[in-house]
Amino acid sequence: NAGVTQTPKFQVLKTGQSMTLQCAQDMNHEYMSWYRQDPGMGLRLIHYSVGAGITDQGEVPNGYNVSRSTTEDFPLRLLSAAPSQTSVYFCASSSSINRDRDYGYTFGSGTRLTVV
Amino acid sequence: LAKTTQPISMDSYEGQEVNITCSHNNIATNDYITWYQQFPSQGPRFIIQGYKTKVTNEVASLFIPADRKSSTLSLPRVSLSDTAVYYCLVGDPAVSGTYKYIFGTGTRLKVLA
Repeated sequence: NAGVTQTPKFQVLKTGQSMTLQCAQDMNHEYMSWYRQDPGMGLRLIHYSVGAGITDQGEVPNGYNVSRSTTEDFPLRLLSAAPSQTSVYFCASSSSINRDRDYGYTFGSGTRLTVV
Repeated sequence: LAKTTQPISMDSYEGQEVNITCSHNNIATNDYITWYQQFPSQGPRFIIQGYKTKVTNEVASLFIPADRKSSTLSLPRVSLSDTAVYYCLVGDPAVSGTYKYIFGTGTRLKVLA
């Protein structure tokens, strides 16, 4: 089914470990973003991309890296995991970066990350 | 900064119409307003989007006044299953010339029997 696929769904890391959260979409969307959501809180933007090869920082980029080598994939890398990064991570994509033709985000189902 | 402001929470009874207003005083001229619904343990789900005046789809209506500094999501005849958090979202112009989308606190709607 078309949509945004995130892997893994659950992950436990030890402090200091690194890992990559995967995000893939098959809708040929230009715009992709990563958000984190802490328990009982709203979504905070980590990084976003307006197309292959182009990324930019959001509200809370520290401790995370992204790359966009293809339109389909937008992985999020945790450089050295810390307990403060325990959260649910959502990837989202949108069909257009043209402000006159924005059709809203499609979100993935999320990755629940626990750092111990 | 295209910050959005919404009420933190609302309660309603089944069958009533619910209106949630969002203020976005610094919305860009060509920006759309989008509303999302989020259930616990799920990603937000697109509800409706508009640019001006009124938009209606099968689940909601969106009212946007002429100055576009606010918008109101209207949910007709809510049911228990509409209990969720509702977010409005507008673009925030970035230095790079692109837009980034920063969610506000959202409105936690509780529908009572």
